[in-house]
Amino acid sequence: AQSVSQHNHHVILSEAASLELGCNYSYGGTVNLFWYVQYPGQHLQLLLKYFSGDPLVKGIKGFEAEFIKSKFSFNLRKPSVQWSDTAEYFCAVNADDYKLSFGAGTTVTVRA
Amino acid sequence: NAGVMQNPRHLVRRRGQEARLRCSPMKGHSHVYWYRQLPEEGLKFMVYLQKENIIDESGMPKERFSAEFPKEGPSILRIQQVVRGDSAAYFCASSGREASYEQYFGPGTRLTVT
Repeated sequence: AQSVSQHNHHVILSEAASLELGCNYSYGGTVNLFWYVQYPGQHLQLLLKYFSGDPLVKGIKGFEAEFIKSKFSFNLRKPSVQWSDTAEYFCAVNADDYKLSFGAGTTVTVRA
Repeated sequence: NAGVMQNPRHLVRRRGQEARLRCSPMKGHSHVYWYRQLPEEGLKFMVYLQKENIIDESGMPKERFSAEFPKEGPSILRIQQVVRGDSAAYFCASSGREASYEQYFGPGTRLTVT
């Protein structure tokens, strides 16, 4: 079974700072990779996904992620965060079926 | 908003009571998935249901947990005789296609067992 680890439990940063959240997975085969975000009081929503092709994936709200196969990583980035990016971020992996495996999440707090 | 709805959002139960969590899928979706997030852990798959059928319950604890998705009405995750270890966030997702990893999630139900 695949597992997903997110490096940071809680990240605090100021507006306009750059954000990078680490995600590593363990699975030897082909995977699909996702980043989800949950804003306070809201549902989990998909930020971006990678299935194949260009390993640099652009998502909504200015987020992007880079798949590095050799490192089993799928790190999320945003060059300049806003206060509204305060949320919990989850990395998820799917191998060959519908079951998503999630990391424990990273809480991001952006100070105005 | 035609997104996935879950209720209640927060549920407090005493040990030994029953907990019922409801999930209404997105409009037009007939596939429902339940996940559980224990403290300090990621979401873990529990069960996949289609209308009136349990397709895959490989992630469900063997005892006290059950799920259904009737022909009419929401999907229900039922936990009998709750224990403190059941305290968690329970997320429901739905998809329009069969056995799809393109799942749309609800806001979750946070269950606290006292």
